[in-house]
Amino acid sequence: DTEVTQTPKHLVMGMTNKKSLKCEQHMGHRAMYWYKQKAKKPPELMFVYSYEKLSINESVPSRFSPECPNSSLLNLHLHALQPEDSALYLCASSQGEGGIQFFGPGTRLTVL
Amino acid sequence: DQQVKQNSPSLSVQEGRISILNCDYTNSMFDYFLWYKKYPAEGPTFLISISSIKDKNEDGRFTVFLNKSAKHLSLHIVPSQPGDSAVYFCAASPAGKLIFGQGTTLQVKP
Repeated sequence: DTEVTQTPKHLVMGMTNKKSLKCEQHMGHRAMYWYKQKAKKPPELMFVYSYEKLSINESVPSRFSPECPNSSLLNLHLHALQPEDSALYLCASSQGEGGIQFFGPGTRLTVL
Repeated sequence: DQQVKQNSPSLSVQEGRISILNCDYTNSMFDYFLWYKKYPAEGPTFLISISSIKDKNEDGRFTVFLNKSAKHLSLHIVPSQPGDSAVYFCAASPAGKLIFGQGTTLQVKP
């Protein structure tokens, strides 16, 4: 299995909702990442997990809360988001931190 | 301050010809670079990488060149195919992160 999967593919939520994005990989990778990509912009790093521990937080607002329940799973919990948080959220994994990253297809999030 | 720059937002080439995508970086401490290709509504797909100890890396139709003194890298695709039409991102990989350039949209015309 050489892919990163993300669910859901699309998500529409109101500003008072709580939702979660899910990412899974079965490549035995020990580093996992969340990126945010706005239209016509490059992906921007949000969080890095290495061996299930948060390694990097790029000063992301607390309304985004990452969680790594095990080495294959990465979640991003969303609460009280703003319309400007609407974007494509990409998950990636790599063998170790700093290795070649493999991306999932992303979750297209719309905040109303 | 953009640390990785792709100054050409778009490039159009004829099928069968060479596509050359360029990328500049500002931090001389960067020592590993990658190219990704992205189709709309999909995640980036890894294409090829290069370490700063090399000046060239080749994989099939794709070759990446690195000029450390100029802080410049380029991706050559030859021959270009219509299926290569996508957005191409170069990225530097310092300390576990990926820092992406703005991307170049390549269109390969049949």
